[in-house]
Amino acid sequence: GAVVSQHPSRVICKSGTSVKIECRSLDFQATTMFWYRQFPKQSLMLMATSNEGSKATYEQGVEKDKFLINHASLTLSTLTVTSAHPEDSSFYICSAPKGGRGQTSGNTIYFGEGSWLTVV
Amino acid sequence: GNSVTQMEGPVTLSEEAFLTINCTYTATGYPSLFWYVQYPGEGLQLLLKATKADDKGSNKGFEATYRKETTSFHLEKGSVQVSDSAVYFCALSKFGNQFYFGTGTSLTVIP
Repeated sequence: GAVVSQHPSRVICKSGTSVKIECRSLDFQATTMFWYRQFPKQSLMLMATSNEGSKATYEQGVEKDKFLINHASLTLSTLTVTSAHPEDSSFYICSAPKGGRGQTSGNTIYFGEGSWLTVV
Repeated sequence: GNSVTQMEGPVTLSEEAFLTINCTYTATGYPSLFWYVQYPGEGLQLLLKATKADDKGSNKGFEATYRKETTSFHLEKGSVQVSDSAVYFCALSKFGNQFYFGTGTSLTVIP
């Protein structure tokens, strides 16, 4: 069964509205989670690192005011796309390392199912 | 910088055919290399990995060898099954948590 769950799996929203995507670790605590997005025919690209209890770290070129990330608890990170536009339509996926905070090769990484966002 | 270039799909094969999906990478230092698979409606699942040069990762009949001299990590399977139909992602990671992915290759196996 799923170890990391994302919701919703598909969402359609109107241009100018905001949409929230949730990423939950189901049987472990994740102090760090990662958000990726994939445009058609392109790679999955890291958008940001979500840190429980502190601000998210965004990759270069990702607008932090547009893609709000909140790591409210040890099992939940949310990505809110604010004032969505059609060019934000993409596949968004999260991941969480099971095994503790920090960057270690000993962690096992689990990915969510992904969320397809369509902005019309 | 770090990047992964993956063979474009989609790939359609008959059952029991031989599969190769090419993957090359660019990275400084010594990354770990991975193949992930995504079945319809599911999350990415680790298929296999290799952490150093000349290592061979294998799982479920799939194999990939970490070739530093050619900066490659090609995925192979000798005899594919219908159940192998999925999207396959090649990826590298230098620190274990942050990944750099290829574009994904969709594989369809027909009976």
